[in-house]
Amino acid sequence: DTEVTQTPKHLVMGMTNKKSLKCEQHMGHRAMYWYKQKAKKPPELMFVYSYEKLSINESVPSRFSPECPNSSLLNLHLHALQPEDSALYLCASSQGGEALKYFGPGTRLTVL
Amino acid sequence: AQSVTQLDSHVSVSEGTPVLLRCNYSSSYSPSLFWYVQHPNKGLQLLLKYTSAATLVKGINGFEAEFKKSETSFHLTKPSAHMSDAAEYFCVVSDYTGFQKLVFGTGTRLLVSP
Repeated sequence: DTEVTQTPKHLVMGMTNKKSLKCEQHMGHRAMYWYKQKAKKPPELMFVYSYEKLSINESVPSRFSPECPNSSLLNLHLHALQPEDSALYLCASSQGGEALKYFGPGTRLTVL
Repeated sequence: AQSVTQLDSHVSVSEGTPVLLRCNYSSSYSPSLFWYVQHPNKGLQLLLKYTSAATLVKGINGFEAEFKKSETSFHLTKPSAHMSDAAEYFCVVSDYTGFQKLVFGTGTRLLVSP
């Protein structure tokens, strides 16, 4: 199994809602990433987890809360989002220093 | 800090003609460079990577890129475009801190006409 899966594919939420994005991989990778990609822009790194510990937080607002419950699973909890947070959220995984080869298809989030 | 500049926001080619997507990089040390492709409403796919081995790097789907230190360039080429190559292409440099902290260029949209 050489893929990263993300659910849901699409999500529409109001500014007062709480929702979660899920990412899963079964390749034994110990580093997992969240990227945010706004329309017609390149992806921007949000968070990196290594061995289930948060290693990099790119000054992301606290309304985004990542969680890595185990080595295969990465969540992104969303609360009190703003319309400008509407974007494609991409998850990725890698093994150590290898090139970041495995990206999920993304969750397209719309905040109303 | 590392950065990349993609010189063209859009490139249009005809099917069967060569493709050239240009990228210049800025790095204070020997960089790791990558090209990724993103088809509409899809995730990212790694096309190829340069990590200080051979300067001519071959990737998937017939793409290749040449690292030229004297020109600080890492242009992506393909001898013959296919309709399925139409996508967004990102040139990327890695700020390697033990993780692949990728810095993306602004992207080049490749359009392929019949």
